[in-house]
Amino acid sequence: SSEVTQDPAVSVALGQTVRITCQADSLRSYYASWYQQKPGQAPVLVLYGKNYRPSGIPDRFSGSNSGNTASLTITGAQAEDEADYYCNSRDSSSSQPVFGPGTKVTVL
Amino acid sequence: QVLLVQSGAEMKKPGSSVTVSCKASGGTFSDFPITWVRQAPGQGLEYMGRIIPILGITNYAQKFQGRLTITADKSTSTIYMDLSSLTIEDTAVYYCARDRGGLHLGTYDYWGQGTLVTVSS
Repeated sequence: SSEVTQDPAVSVALGQTVRITCQADSLRSYYASWYQQKPGQAPVLVLYGKNYRPSGIPDRFSGSNSGNTASLTITGAQAEDEADYYCNSRDSSSSQPVFGPGTKVTVL
Repeated sequence: QVLLVQSGAEMKKPGSSVTVSCKASGGTFSDFPITWVRQAPGQGLEYMGRIIPILGITNYAQKFQGRLTITADKSTSTIYMDLSSLTIEDTAVYYCARDRGGLHLGTYDYWGQGTLVTVSS
């Protein structure tokens, strides 16, 4: 199976930049997708593929990939960006989707 | 604009089964995989399985093999998730989500509102 790891929590000052990482062997072969989830709400897709943002997602969200690591960067974090962020990749052996454990982003 | 509307909250006894529905509107229903993801209280997201409605092909996470069934009714654009042999550990919010498919398989761009399933004796 493919283990996906994320930092449990990060904090960022309002208006500053924060990077969230996702590590997995499968990321050497597959792109990650990233989801924002606020309390009591369904997840929202914020980034996928090489660095694609769905319509309506602010351009302060961007992504990058290197080796076994995918990163989501929020440039100029806003109060409304405070949420849990999950990455999703695939299991290297089964190709089934697997989510990371999530990163809680706090905007100070 | 794709909209996924799920059925309401369920309360179940251990050992029983639950069916959650997900009705799609907007977009082309049958072309994209529909996936089920669950989230236990205070926990992360967990892939359960998916179906390609136009083909009826399913894929289930190994953890749920044998007790998860996902079906599609193309006439009503509705996907059903049946989970049997429920235990307390199945208490969670269950989400359906549309998968972009193809090169972006595993990318979920539209989500249902979630259905809380509570398993309690």
